[in-house]
Amino acid sequence: NAGVTQTPKFRVLKTGQSMTLLCAQDMNHEYMYWYRQDPGMGLRLIHYSVGEGTTAKGEVPDGYNVSRLKKQNFLLGLESAAPSQTSVYFCASSYKDGGAFFGQGTRLTVV
Amino acid sequence: DAKTTQPPSMDCAEGRAANLPCNHSTISGNEYVYWYRQIHSQGPQYIIHGLKNNETNEMASLIITEDRKSSTLILPHATLRDTAVYYCIVRGLGTGGFKTIFGAGTRLFVKA
Repeated sequence: NAGVTQTPKFRVLKTGQSMTLLCAQDMNHEYMYWYRQDPGMGLRLIHYSVGEGTTAKGEVPDGYNVSRLKKQNFLLGLESAAPSQTSVYFCASSYKDGGAFFGQGTRLTVV
Repeated sequence: DAKTTQPPSMDCAEGRAANLPCNHSTISGNEYVYWYRQIHSQGPQYIIHGLKNNETNEMASLIITEDRKSSTLILPHATLRDTAVYYCIVRGLGTGGFKTIFGAGTRLFVKA
């Protein structure tokens, strides 16, 4: 039972490049989330999904897109990376009213 | 979602109980109280959650006041490994769907 797995763990991008972060969960959770965490700050919700084929915006959605084509996967895309998107990205999943389980994070640097 | 208020930091002696408070005076009837912690730069870890009854698991106890406007997370025998940022969040259904909002949390320092 791997829980929530994020790939890649580290990435350096140049401004304007695009990339996709992959999140996979094996707990059959309906809900999945993407957060970002900047140094010394709490987590901020980017996008979330309440089920396969559905997505919704969180607190800071600008510059990101997501897709949930399969229940176990939640993809976060950056179409044109900017230095302001340098951050640690966390994916999480949960049942509707249960606790959320987090991945170990992806450290992204945009230069 | 209801907002929460936590002290920015707390100290606790190793082996003693750590009591972390959280105020959520605007909580509504269908909102749960959740606690998570984040050790250094790892992914947050779920600890416990409850609606209106006190809850206990292998990690901690959650005490929710009768009016549900505040709660306390209790780590019964704190160890150095419990040094972390603890987040109290209130989760429910909001406009446009479900969302989870994390605040600044409480930085707990467990000292030998």
